[in-house]
Amino acid sequence: EVQLVESGGGLVQPGGSLRLSCVASGFTFSSYWMAWIRQAPGKGLEWVANIKHDGAENDYDDSVKGRFTISRDDAKNSVFLQMTNLRAEDTAIYYCARDRAFDTSGPLGYWGRGILVTVSS
Amino acid sequence: SYVLTQPPSVSVAPGKTARITCGGNNIEAKSVHWYQQKPGQAPILVIFYDTERPSRIPERFSGSNSGNTATLTIDRVDAGDEADYYCQVLDTNDDHSFFGGGTKLTVL
Repeated sequence: EVQLVESGGGLVQPGGSLRLSCVASGFTFSSYWMAWIRQAPGKGLEWVANIKHDGAENDYDDSVKGRFTISRDDAKNSVFLQMTNLRAEDTAIYYCARDRAFDTSGPLGYWGRGILVTVSS
Repeated sequence: SYVLTQPPSVSVAPGKTARITCGGNNIEAKSVHWYQQKPGQAPILVIFYDTERPSRIPERFSGSNSGNTATLTIDRVDAGDEADYYCQVLDTNDDHSFFGGGTKLTVL
């Protein structure tokens, strides 16, 4: 059974930093891109970032580029999102998702339950 | 950037067919994936690669993609199908994913 479990969320002041973690199980982690998607309160889904199955590439939405960094540790079946210079508009539930396999255009097949990040003074 | 347009809401009577559209420029050239999100829950995949259905999803769910519009169709709708539905595509030029704004399905 595929499982994705996020951790590291919480309340942070504007300008602060936070590191989200996601531990995966139930599939061959190194074969898949991984992604972070967020959802602000009462709003729709917003893609944040992804990282290639071999870690060689990563991409970001313009709204977080230069402030967020995605990384992965295949030995720990984990993907991370380092968030810096946080703003109120980054307040959202952050979902970790298993992205496509290798170089396909496949779906975000599995999602974690999400973790809440609140940016407020 | 790639813009996906969904109607904010769709309402349908129980037992009828719901159709949720996702508009995008020449979307037929892209693979469209659909997600269902119930209140307080994470999204789940219901249709992938335009028409494919995960084994755990009922056959009542189907998809199509032609021209500038992809469509999620739910036959014999019941109260358990009430949810927000999102379409998603991957822009292979920059490996960015894009979501539609979401459609709230209400079962009357």
